[in-house]
Amino acid sequence: GALVYQYPRRTICKSGTSMRMECQAVGFQATSVAWYRQSPQKTFELIALSTVNSAIKYEQNFTQEKFPISHPNLSFSSMTVLNAYLEDRGLYLCGASNTGTGDTGQLYFGEGSKLTVL
Amino acid sequence: GDSVTQTEGLVTVTEGLPVKLNCTYQTTYLTIAFFWYVQYLNEAPQVLLKSSTDNKRTEHQGFHATLHKSSSSFHLQKSSAQLSDSALYYCALSESSGSWQLIFGSGTQLTVMP
Repeated sequence: GALVYQYPRRTICKSGTSMRMECQAVGFQATSVAWYRQSPQKTFELIALSTVNSAIKYEQNFTQEKFPISHPNLSFSSMTVLNAYLEDRGLYLCGASNTGTGDTGQLYFGEGSKLTVL
Repeated sequence: GDSVTQTEGLVTVTEGLPVKLNCTYQTTYLTIAFFWYVQYLNEAPQVLLKSSTDNKRTEHQGFHATLHKSSSSFHLQKSSAQLSDSALYYCALSESSGSWQLIFGSGTQLTVMP
């Protein structure tokens, strides 16, 4: 089956430092990877959508300078939260999809990387 | 813009009774796919149901939903709630052709009481 492994599961970092998280897709080709932040109130915010061989599209209020993303192949993606502050707290989720199969929109999620900022 | 609305943030139901979680949407997309995701405590969201066909009932794990484009709805229902159904439920839509973006509702916390 299709699985997505995401790590680390949780990180505690000092204000102003950075956190990198990684996602590994197993059992399918992750042609698209969406990075979300789930707030403490449990709502989802889309940070960016990355599609192999296309430019990464960032949503409003999120920038490459703050959340650089790498998607070098069909099984791996990473995102870094640079200069993390309190407002960056939350659960960061990667959702991967093989858009080439026509199963558009069905994301396989990693288990999330919880960021706590002190 | 496009949006998904889940009117109830919290639904509590007694085990064995029916449950309905509401989902309505607004979209400018011509072709759309709908999903219900379920997120159990400390786990990743996972797809529970999906549909892109108007007026066709979709079922999985005892849950069912029917996309009604006439009323812009995709409500989730179950005839007999189980304790293990307690979780966060998200309704989401995506454009089902070309590049896509998954838009989530705000989520409904379902608690099933014994």
